[in-house]
Amino acid sequence: EPEVTQTPSHQVTQMGQEVILRCVPISNHLYFYWYRQILGQKVEFLVSFYNNEISEKSEIFDDQFSVERPDGSNFTLKIRSTKLEDSAMYFCASSDDRGTDTQYFGPGTRLTVL
Amino acid sequence: QKEVEQDPGPLSVPEGAIVSLNCTYSNSAFQYFMWYRQYSRKGPELLMYTYSSGNKEDGRFTAQVDKSSKYISLFIRDSQPSDSATYLCAMTRGGSYIPTFGRGTSLIVHP
Repeated sequence: EPEVTQTPSHQVTQMGQEVILRCVPISNHLYFYWYRQILGQKVEFLVSFYNNEISEKSEIFDDQFSVERPDGSNFTLKIRSTKLEDSAMYFCASSDDRGTDTQYFGPGTRLTVL
Repeated sequence: QKEVEQDPGPLSVPEGAIVSLNCTYSNSAFQYFMWYRQYSRKGPELLMYTYSSGNKEDGRFTAQVDKSSKYISLFIRDSQPSDSATYLCAMTRGGSYIPTFGRGTSLIVHP
């Protein structure tokens, strides 16, 4: 069964450093999303991406964040200058339609900012 | 008041029990309701999706929505140890595809 994959599974970085989280969505999907989940808190939407541009973003997704689809398979989330409060699980999701009933989540990347 | 409220648990039940998981919400604009299951160190997995008040059944799972009370439930019949996970409710506004999640309820089904 096709699945969303994410790398790395765990990323440790120093405060102020840039990190890039990578995702490979399901191959025929057109819509891509990033969510985060701070430990013990709810899953929060960050950004959605369609047709090589951001279609929606939340208040969390400020200028420190950017997304890119550099080739036909990868979808990346970059955090330019990490802060302690960026420590969280980051989930990528993809869907083949704009319906919530078809969003498939990856296993997540645990980001630890020291 | 938070938009979506969900008791984090943990909820511990014996194998075979009927489990009831619940969420309340405050925003009448929510029209689509989902339940996700999340195993430890995994991403959320969609279990059920519904948009109308009433019940929707899928195997051992039943999703119930009461829009008048702003209350949704997920029932699990004949619970199994493999059902042990965190269950997230989520909902979207009409015209939006971005879900607002509850905090999740941790369920433990012991043999």
